[in-house]
Amino acid sequence: EIVLTQSPGTLSLSPGERAALSCRASETVTSSYLAWYQQKPGQAPRLLMFAASTRATGIPDRFSGSGSGTDFTLTISRLEPEDFAVYYCQQYVRSPGTFGQGTQVEIK
Amino acid sequence: QVQLRESGPGLVKPSQTLSLTCSVSGGSMRSASYYWSWIRQPAGKGLEWIGRIYGGGSTDYNPSLKSRVTISVDTSKNQFSLRLTSVTAADTAVYYCAREARDYYYALDVWGQGTTVTVTS
Repeated sequence: EIVLTQSPGTLSLSPGERAALSCRASETVTSSYLAWYQQKPGQAPRLLMFAASTRATGIPDRFSGSGSGTDFTLTISRLEPEDFAVYYCQQYVRSPGTFGQGTQVEIK
Repeated sequence: QVQLRESGPGLVKPSQTLSLTCSVSGGSMRSASYYWSWIRQPAGKGLEWIGRIYGGGSTDYNPSLKSRVTISVDTSKNQFSLRLTSVTAADTAVYYCAREARDYYYALDVWGQGTTVTVTS
């Protein structure tokens, strides 16, 4: 299976700062099949990005995704208070779909 | 607006079978544009994809669970179900059902709220 490694494990930032989250795959992932999710405590994950760089419906434009091959990045341009959460990348180019272990974005 | 809701026992004894149902409202499961998945998350840990059902009954399972998992669908009730046999404490987790949408390149675009299942004697 394809292993996704997210870094850093925890990102401590202040509101208004920029966040860059990395997702590295153990083998090439077609960018069409790379997604990012946000999860807040006690809630289900929410789809943020699909096809590596396309925002899902209702996702604000401060969220952007980029990357190809084995390296992908989720960027939050200016952190809002509601953005402090855990973020997961997922590949579904090949079964089983696998998730990264998550990056927690916490308030500094 | 499509909504998913998981239901089933919150407690299961070791070696027994975990059975959960996901009820889909606000849309039909018959559309070929969607696949229907189960994902789980142990407390404080990451997400694990369990498997999915699509195309009226085709299934795809995580190899790590394949020998114990069955996903089925009842389109007349707009529901799909998960069965996991021979459970152990390692199967204790929040179980989510979710939809994979063709328009989103089969990303998981709609999720249920999750249901906690604890394996305990």
